Amino acid sequence: EAGVVQSPRYKIIEKKQPVAFWCNPISGHNTLYWYRQNLGQGPELLIRYENEEAVDDSQLPKDRFSAERLKGVDSTLKIQPAELGDSAVYLCASSLDRAGPNEQFFGPGTRLTVL
Amino acid sequence: AQKVTQAQTEISVVEKEDVTLDCVYETRDTTYYLFWYKQPPSGELVFLIRRNSFDEQNEISGRYSWNFQKSTSSFNFTITASQVVDSAVYFCALSEANSGYALNFGKGTSLLVTP
Repeated sequence: EAGVVQSPRYKIIEKKQPVAFWCNPISGHNTLYWYRQNLGQGPELLIRYENEEAVDDSQLPKDRFSAERLKGVDSTLKIQPAELGDSAVYLCASSLDRAGPNEQFFGPGTRLTVL
Repeated sequence: AQKVTQAQTEISVVEKEDVTLDCVYETRDTTYYLFWYKQPPSGELVFLIRRNSFDEQNEISGRYSWNFQKSTSSFNFTITASQVVDSAVYFCALSEANSGYALNFGKGTSLLVTP
């Protein structure tokens, strides 16, 4: 069974440019998460989807970040415009059931460098 | 406020030594879950264990064991007879019912096992 797929794996952009990350969760997983992991830190939740609905986006900086999961399957996270402080690894995870203490399966992440 | 504290930033051991990674958590919920994840150099977070707040039994899985003590709000992880392949960053995480079971990660402990 394929795991969580993310692309690209690496992205280098200049500040003020837009960037987008894509995630395809494990087939059948209803819940999808986007996390940001700064260097030397644990992942921090940005947004959680249950199917196509964003049920927790309280930590998403909405002035520049947006996300969508239109058909309740794959998801895109966008930053526009990017700032130097956005350099981090962006992780996508999915779990089988609606939000609960289920195991979350993580993708390999997208490492973003903003110059 | 940090809800999960992993006081050990880095640990270095020689192969075959036992090593314990500490995790202290803070919550007011009566229903919560604790997790350990491993993040090898490849970057992908790998689930190791989930423990709910109502089950204080210790668990052993091969060379891995976990000690959950509600009295001290700790969920420590021990690797017995460590191996080079155990080298990774290990994260402890708290999942609370009142926050939709989002994972709240500690800052991680970097474990280096040398031959």
